[in-house]
Amino acid sequence: GDSVTQMEGPVTLSEEAFLTINCTYTATGYPSLFWYVQYPGEGLQLLLKATKADDKGSNKGFEATYRKETTSFHLEKGSVQVSDSAVYFCALSGNQGGKLIFGQGTELSVKP
Amino acid sequence: GAGVSQSPRYKVAKRGQDVALRCDPISGHVSLFWYQQALGQGPEFLTYFQNEAQLDKSGLPSDRFFAERPEGSVSTLKIQRTQQEDSAVYLCASSSSAGRDTQYFGPGTRLTVL
Repeated sequence: GDSVTQMEGPVTLSEEAFLTINCTYTATGYPSLFWYVQYPGEGLQLLLKATKADDKGSNKGFEATYRKETTSFHLEKGSVQVSDSAVYFCALSGNQGGKLIFGQGTELSVKP
Repeated sequence: GAGVSQSPRYKVAKRGQDVALRCDPISGHVSLFWYQQALGQGPEFLTYFQNEAQLDKSGLPSDRFFAERPEGSVSTLKIQRTQQEDSAVYLCASSSSAGRDTQYFGPGTRLTVL
């Protein structure tokens, strides 16, 4: 069945460092891909999404490109801030009525 | 309302008790999803409604779990005879249409079964 694999955390970075969180997927057909973020004490929020191959999703300085050839959707940010500290979830929606399949989450901690 | 709301936010139940968790989706949203999130894990799909029709319940872990959305808006997830392994955060999400539209999540209900 469809699945998502993310790099394990926690990831600890200094402010202004470059961020990459790896995400790969297994799916039949052409899924939509998402990154959700969960800030401390808050609910899941959509960060960005891409619906077809080579699409780039972007928001709040974060980017991810849908790479069908490598079945990947890695999250990147050029310069992280303390306020980016959160848990990040990669997810896909395939051909099954829109339900999301999530990775296990990657906790990011940014130190001043 | 402005977003998806869930109640109660926290629920403690003794093993064997029945619980009911409520979800109020964004007004007018057609699709409603329930997910279960164990500690330190990603959410896992439980069930999906399109309006009042339950189109997919493949993720419900046992017949003790039951969900309904009788009028196509508010939904209730009921767990009968709760077990310790049911302890988790239960998330509700809604989207404006069927298919792969963006899902908006509620804050979740944290269920602890003693």
